[in-house]
Amino acid sequence: QVQLQESGPGLVKPSETLSLTCTVSGGSVSSGSYYWSWIRQPPGKGLEWIGYTYYSGSTNYNPSLKSRVTMSVDTSKNQFSLKLSSVTAADTAVYYCAILRYSDYDYRLDYWGQGTLVTVSS
Amino acid sequence: QSVLTQPPSTSGTPGQRVTISCSGSSSNIGSNYVYWYQQLPGTAPKLLIYRSNLRPSGVPDRFSGSKSGTSASLAISGLRSEDEADYYCAAWDDSLSGVVFGGGTKLTVL
Repeated sequence: QVQLQESGPGLVKPSETLSLTCTVSGGSVSSGSYYWSWIRQPPGKGLEWIGYTYYSGSTNYNPSLKSRVTMSVDTSKNQFSLKLSSVTAADTAVYYCAILRYSDYDYRLDYWGQGTLVTVSS
Repeated sequence: QSVLTQPPSTSGTPGQRVTISCSGSSSNIGSNYVYWYQQLPGTAPKLLIYRSNLRPSGVPDRFSGSKSGTSASLAISGLRSEDEADYYCAAWDDSLSGVVFGGGTKLTVL
């Protein structure tokens, strides 16, 4: 059973960079069947897909965030990470890491971390 | 503004059947599978339906999904108090090359 755990600062100042890490257990970030994904949820609102990274280093980001997002995989630590630059209060949200499993046009998010609240405030 | 459109809320009484709709476009629901996620209060979303109408192991058969054209729906029969949650539809979007979500539907069990 794959498990995911987000970690990182819970408070980030406006204009700074939000950095989160997702540690994978029970599976490998080198797996070719998974896209390592980030999703966020502002308080009281719905889910927003941020993007994903692949074990090869390729990435795909939501166009609305693309200019500020960087994702990467660290195979030595079995982790993947998210960086979001120039944050504002609108970036305050619970951030989830998740596995987007792809097979035969089937894109399912079947493993999720518990989520971590990041608040942007001075 | 979410790419997929869901009603913000719905309700039902125990034992009743409720349905939640999800509307999209040709680049997402119209050409790809639909997924449904259940988010209980204070928890991460959980996959409820995949490939539009299949249930992962452990999901009761009271939950069912369907898709027609650019719309989809989730049906919950024999409603129970523990079904009170937020439900999100999702699909792959070919234009975005990414996942799009509905705005979520809050189900209240009266």
